[in-house]
Amino acid sequence: GDSVTQMEGPVTLSEEAFLTINCTYTATGYPSLFWYVQYPGEGLQLLLKATKADDKGSNKGFEATYRKETTSFHLEKGSVQVSDSAVYFCALYSNYQLIWGAGTKLIIKP
Amino acid sequence: DGGITQSPKYLFRKEGQNVTLSCEQNLNHDAMYWYRQDPGQGLRLIYYSQIVNDFQKGDIAEGYSVSREKKESFPLTVTSAQKNPTAFYLCASSPTTGQISGANVLTFGAGSRLTVL
Repeated sequence: GDSVTQMEGPVTLSEEAFLTINCTYTATGYPSLFWYVQYPGEGLQLLLKATKADDKGSNKGFEATYRKETTSFHLEKGSVQVSDSAVYFCALYSNYQLIWGAGTKLIIKP
Repeated sequence: DGGITQSPKYLFRKEGQNVTLSCEQNLNHDAMYWYRQDPGQGLRLIYYSQIVNDFQKGDIAEGYSVSREKKESFPLTVTSAQKNPTAFYLCASSPTTGQISGANVLTFGAGSRLTVL
């Protein structure tokens, strides 16, 4: 069945470092892909999305490109801030279902 | 502002008790969902509802029950049959589940943390 695999955390970086959180997927057809972010003690918020191959989603300095050839949707940011500390979830929507990755905790140190 | 309101934010339960978590949305969304989140794990779907008076079991429905009497409301009852109910519960809604599109984005509530004493 469809699945999403994220890199295990926690990922610990210094402020202003470059961030990559890997996400790969297995799906039939052409799923929509999402990144959600969860700040401590809160619900999830949509960070960005992409609906077809080669689409690039972007928001708040984060970017992710839908790569069908590598079945990937890696999250990147050029310069992280302490306020980016959160848990990041990759997800795909296919066959009327949202399939979630396990989440990657990101810790940014000043 | 439109959104999803979950209550209570924190809830403590004794073993053998049923508890009900509230979820209300004013987004005019057709579909609503309940997820369970455990530390270090992704979200697991408990129940979902595509329309009033209809709902379907998700991956981990055992020990839970729901109702959908109104479009805005989708309460979740955690029954005494749920063997390990301590978790963070998230309610979400979306315009519909009937379309495969990038527009079908979930909006989440702030969550309810249930602890069994």
